[in-house]
Amino acid sequence: DSGVTQTPKHLITATGQRVTLRCSPRSGDLSVYWYQQSLDQGLQFLIQYYNGEERAKGNILERFSAQQFPDLHSELNLSSLELGDSALYFCASSVPKGSSGRSSYNEQFFGPGTRLTVL
Amino acid sequence: AQKVTQAQTEISVVEKEDVTLDCVYETRDTTYYLFWYKQPPSGELVFLIRRNSFDEQNEISGRYSWNFQKSTSSFNFTITASQVVDSAVYFCALTGGYQGAQKLVFGQGTRLTINP
Repeated sequence: DSGVTQTPKHLITATGQRVTLRCSPRSGDLSVYWYQQSLDQGLQFLIQYYNGEERAKGNILERFSAQQFPDLHSELNLSSLELGDSALYFCASSVPKGSSGRSSYNEQFFGPGTRLTVL
Repeated sequence: AQKVTQAQTEISVVEKEDVTLDCVYETRDTTYYLFWYKQPPSGELVFLIRRNSFDEQNEISGRYSWNFQKSTSSFNFTITASQVVDSAVYFCALTGGYQGAQKLVFGQGTRLTINP
């Protein structure tokens, strides 16, 4: 158990709908990363938040947005869903409170993922 | 830009055979980190190893071993005496990353099937 939780575990919805995926990082971790694993794109980085602020952005569609709240949990919002958005969405956390976030490397701990199916 | 290539899409072997999963990477960073993750059928990502660019020592952990060669930009993974439980998709990943922004760049993965 990595200590990172994601809800829900499975989500089935229809095209055009909007969903919210939730991630609770490990206790004390300040940084949250979102990744998408789809059949055609593989595993790719979407976005990173650090202590409430966006830190890095990857191949995230404009229909997708994320935020990190003061309690450090994060939500990934997916809107106007298309069939191609069906994927496994992972959240990872790193950088414990008290560290500068500028060390050589901060281990990423992955959650179990949310499997989204768009019908 | 960073890139990871796992040329082997699928590998199938018989139990107890040795198998090597190839990983070739591209990066302009002088400091970087390489990883292997395992994804069993249940779907979670299981961290196996991290190696930084300054440490080219090979590593062995039980039946697992890793060969890091900077000269060929490769970080290959060998399973000795494979077992059915080793069946999974294996991902090689790379990050450079400074100041806490360390996204992982993954290869396409190699699906390994160990047949009894």
